Amino acid sequence: QVQLQESGPGLVKPSQTLSLTCTVSGGSISSGSYYWSWIRQPAGKGLEWIGRIYTSGSTNYNPSLKSRVTISVDTSKNQFSLKLSSVTAADTAVYYCAITDIVATKSFDYWGQGTLVTVSS
Amino acid sequence: EIVMTQSPATLSVSPGERATLSCRASQSVSSNLAWYQQKPGQAPRLLIYGASTRATGIPARFSGSGSGTEFTLTISSLQSEDFAVYYCQQYNNWLPLTFGGGTKVEIK
Repeated sequence: QVQLQESGPGLVKPSQTLSLTCTVSGGSISSGSYYWSWIRQPAGKGLEWIGRIYTSGSTNYNPSLKSRVTISVDTSKNQFSLKLSSVTAADTAVYYCAITDIVATKSFDYWGQGTLVTVSS
Repeated sequence: EIVMTQSPATLSVSPGERATLSCRASQSVSSNLAWYQQKPGQAPRLLIYGASTRATGIPARFSGSGSGTEFTLTISSLQSEDFAVYYCQQYNNWLPLTFGGGTKVEIK
């Protein structure tokens, strides 16, 4: 079974860039049947899809964040990453990485445990 | 953007009773709808995809129905471990992928 683990700084200063990595185990990120996504959840609120990357490197982003988001993949490390620039307090949230089986469920099958990122000076 | 609206926001149910949760899409998503369960401090877990297909390992007391713009998640007999927040999510061809605001199922 695929397992995902987010990592990165838990505190980011306003106007700086948030950088997170998701490490994949139990499967290869090079598989052509999956999307690799980032999703976030402010405390006590709902879920917001940030964007996704396909194995080929093609990406889709939420238009509400598109100007600030970059998602990339490192197949040699079996990881994919999120960069969110010019952060403000509104970007404080738990950030999840998740996998979508494009062929079977087309949903978010597996999730990382999440990592809390706080934007504060 | 497709807006997903869930109702009610909170549902109070006694253990052993039936719970019915609703999700409405602002435009048709066909059957491209999933349901997730989230417990405090945990990541969401996939329950239902394709509007009505249970994910691997999900008990039969969870069932989904609907298509187009109206969807329902039914928990036939609530167990203690089922008290949680439930989210619907559309994955139609339109991006961005969007979630409903959630329904909290609490103990009555």
